[in-house]
Amino acid sequence: DGGITQSPKYLFRKEGQNVTLSCEQNLNHDAMYWYRQDPGQGLRLIYYSQIVNDFQKGDIAEGYSVSREKKESFPLTVTSAQKNPTAFYLCASSDTQGFSYNEQFFGPGTRLTVL
Amino acid sequence: GESVGLHLPTLSVQEGDNSIINCAYSNSASDYFIWYKQESGKGPQFIIDIRSNMDKRQGQRVTVLLNKTVKHLSLQIAATQPGDSAVYFCAASQGGRRALTFGSGTRLQVQP
Repeated sequence: DGGITQSPKYLFRKEGQNVTLSCEQNLNHDAMYWYRQDPGQGLRLIYYSQIVNDFQKGDIAEGYSVSREKKESFPLTVTSAQKNPTAFYLCASSDTQGFSYNEQFFGPGTRLTVL
Repeated sequence: GESVGLHLPTLSVQEGDNSIINCAYSNSASDYFIWYKQESGKGPQFIIDIRSNMDKRQGQRVTVLLNKTVKHLSLQIAATQPGDSAVYFCAASQGGRRALTFGSGTRLQVQP
C-alpha cells in the first residue's frame, strides 16, 4: 500500500528530553512537511522540505529540528528547548513535479505528551 | 503572510440537508486552496481543491466556490450524511511556498 506512516502513534516523554518522531512515505513525493495541531486548532507549519538535503523553517520552528537525508524520510526532533511540546504532530507529503500545486497527503499523526 | 479563518467553529445540520462551510483568507497572492476533513485522532483527508484561475469546482457530493474579489471560499456538501460528521479545514498557499496555511476548522455535526 502506498502512503505515509508515522510512528509511534502515542509518545510520552519527560521534561528536558529530546524525542524524535518518524515519518516515512512511499509515494515518491519530493516535498514533505511537519505540522503541529493543538486541541481545537488548525494545523501550524513547523518545517518543510522540497527536496533531499534541503529544508526550510515554517511558522513555529523554534525548539524543533529536522533532517532530510533520504527522499522517503523526514524525521522531526522535538528538543528540550520547545516550551510546550504536548500536541498532535502531523507529517505530510506532496508531489511537486512541474509548477502545479498538488494536494498534501497526511499521515495518521503522533500524539506527544510531556509528563 | 497569510491568515485563513473559518466563519463558524461549529455547524449543525439535519441528515439529508445541504451543508455550507465558509472560509476567508487574507492574502490576495494566494493561488491554491484546499479543503480537508479530519476525524477525531486521525490525519486530515483531502476533499477537494481549487486553483485561483477557477471559481467553482465540483466533486462527488461536494462543491468548492472561490470568490477572489472578497477573498472567500466555501465548501458545499450535498445531502449530508452522518459519516460527514468531522472537522473541516480550509487551507491556502501562494507562490513558491508550497506549504499550506490552515484555518482553525469548523466542526460539522449531522443530526439524524
